[in-house]
Amino acid sequence: DTAVSQTPKYLVTQMGNDKSIKCEQNLGHDTMYWYKQDSKKFLKIMFSYNNKELIINETVPNRFSPKSPDKAHLNLHINSLELGDSAVYFCASSQDLIPRGTQYFGPGTRLTVL
Amino acid sequence: EDQVTQSPEALRLQEGESSSLNCSYTVSGLRGLFWYRQDPGKGPEFLFTLYSAGEEKEKERLKATLTKKESFLHITAPKPEDSATYLCAARNGGSQGNLIFGKGTKLSVKP
Repeated sequence: DTAVSQTPKYLVTQMGNDKSIKCEQNLGHDTMYWYKQDSKKFLKIMFSYNNKELIINETVPNRFSPKSPDKAHLNLHINSLELGDSAVYFCASSQDLIPRGTQYFGPGTRLTVL
Repeated sequence: EDQVTQSPEALRLQEGESSSLNCSYTVSGLRGLFWYRQDPGKGPEFLFTLYSAGEEKEKERLKATLTKKESFLHITAPKPEDSATYLCAARNGGSQGNLIFGKGTKLSVKP
């Protein structure tokens, strides 16, 4: 049983396109996150959702929009893709937002913008 | 600015050769220091959380320790299957408790 799953695993697209990445967790957690891991391998948080409410938005361009249809899903929509959006995007979930929430990560989606 | 720095960037060990990975942090109001393991093409896998200076946690050949400025991940008698990138992350004291990740240490263990 996969705890946190993402689709697709790989995504190759042209500049200017709009794309979505889906995430699902079957852990019954209350909080879900999106992280970006760039070419320098730094993991940086983009968003978190707690009980369907956006909690964090770390100065991410508004071309990125998270959408959570229910507690188990947090999808990431990206409009007008740019070359700099190429990265690996990780979804994660935790039971609590703070203070002791251990985060469980999905396998990642490698986005390549041409 | 909150920051997490890991060293070395890469570490090559022979099987059985013990060593330590370092994670230095400058985080306002630390609310936990986390260690993760990341294998190529996969998401980070949780290993440990440490909350206060002096705390230690162990799992198989790994032991994590915490001081007021840094954390160490000690690897005793490593095996090739311990090869991975080890990520350190600190949770700050802000109202949302962001996780701030270091760049990681890529560990290679040769048989």
